[in-house]
Amino acid sequence: EDKVVQSPLSLVVHEGDTVTLNCSYEVTNFRSLLWYKQEKKAPTFLFMLTSSGIEKKSGRLSSILDKKELFSILNITATQTGDSAVYLCAVPMDSNYQLIWGAGTKLIIKP
Amino acid sequence: SQTIHQWPATLVQPVGSPLSLECTVEGTSNPNLYWYRQAAGRGLQLLFYSVGIGQISSEVPQNLSASRPQDRQFILSSKKLLLSDSGFYLCAWSVLWGPHEQYFGPGTRLTVT
Repeated sequence: EDKVVQSPLSLVVHEGDTVTLNCSYEVTNFRSLLWYKQEKKAPTFLFMLTSSGIEKKSGRLSSILDKKELFSILNITATQTGDSAVYLCAVPMDSNYQLIWGAGTKLIIKP
Repeated sequence: SQTIHQWPATLVQPVGSPLSLECTVEGTSNPNLYWYRQAAGRGLQLLFYSVGIGQISSEVPQNLSASRPQDRQFILSSKKLLLSDSGFYLCAWSVLWGPHEQYFGPGTRLTVT
């Protein structure tokens, strides 16, 4: 059965800390992995990682994909209170247009 | 650039009343369209998706239905709401053939009382 598992489910750190969020997956015919950030509204797209692009970086956020071990990590350096959100990971199913979503990691940054 | 609209932003409805949520996309043609529900503190649950006008796939049995009367319009409906229908409803779109990232509308918070 295709699945996406995120860990930890929640994380509390202090401003300035570096955090690492994990996403492991099992899916037939892997094509890509997506990261989203969700504050108290709709999810916003962060990164897409594919077989041909195993690392992405945008400012303080970066993500890598390990296709051999079937996981991805999202790193946030020098965290700020505005980074507080739920971070979601998703992988497309092989047979159709659906995404398999992880349960998310709730990140709280304390000032 | 592409834009996705959803309305209303919030809605309070009594049990047994009908529901109609609308989603429209601008700036793209032939998008895949999706309806999700997110219960408080929970993950995203796919309700319906559509790859074209009049083509609707349902992922979970429920008292909700969806329709796509136009290429960039997606409607979520119910004839009689249940308390369990409360949640955050999100519409999303993706490119028909291509990368899989989905882009979400602002969402509708529905409270059934």
